Amino acid sequence: AQSVTQPDIHITVSEGASLELRCNYSYGATPYLFWYVQSPGQGLQLLLKYFSGDTLVQGIKGFEAEFKRSQSSFNLRKPSVHWSDAAEYFCAVGASGTGRRALTFGSGTRLQVQP
Amino acid sequence: GAGVSQTPSNKVTEKGKYVELRCDPISGHTALYWYRQSLGQGPEFLIYFQGTGAADDSGLPNDRFFAVRPEGSVSTLKIQRTERGDSAVYLCASSRDNTEAFFGQGTRLTVV
Repeated sequence: AQSVTQPDIHITVSEGASLELRCNYSYGATPYLFWYVQSPGQGLQLLLKYFSGDTLVQGIKGFEAEFKRSQSSFNLRKPSVHWSDAAEYFCAVGASGTGRRALTFGSGTRLQVQP
Repeated sequence: GAGVSQTPSNKVTEKGKYVELRCDPISGHTALYWYRQSLGQGPEFLIYFQGTGAADDSGLPNDRFFAVRPEGSVSTLKIQRTERGDSAVYLCASSRDNTEAFFGQGTRLTVV
């Protein structure tokens, strides 16, 4: 069974500082990996995804993530955080090939941005 | 419509009552998913439709939960004999090719 761990429940960074949100997954083959952002009262918005190929993936809003197979990780990064980035971030894994199509989500990391 | 639409946005019901939650996916998306998100948690999978049929209902917690998608577009999630533990945000997502899923804003269900 696939699973996702986001070790950090809550992170606070200063505006303009760099950010890294951690994600570790468990899956038997090469997974599909996703990062979603959820603002209060809003639905989930896709930031970026990894299916295959280049392990460094660029997303929207200046975010990027790197797939590291040896560490079973897919950490999200941003070089300079903006106050509008404050939200809940979810990492998710999906099955590649003919596996289960639904996503398995981590429990999320809440990002707070200090002025 | 431009995105996934879920109605109602909020639903308060009494314990033991029956509720229906509606999802209108993006036009042309054949895959449709229901998830449930409890407070402080990530979304948990409930059921997946490919067209009209439920391809995977392994996430439904018990037989009080049921979902349909009779014409391969709009889907309804039905909950019988609601319990306080059913209180959560119910999210719907659709996908054209099972690679990227687009989420609606959810229905917040409160059982009192």
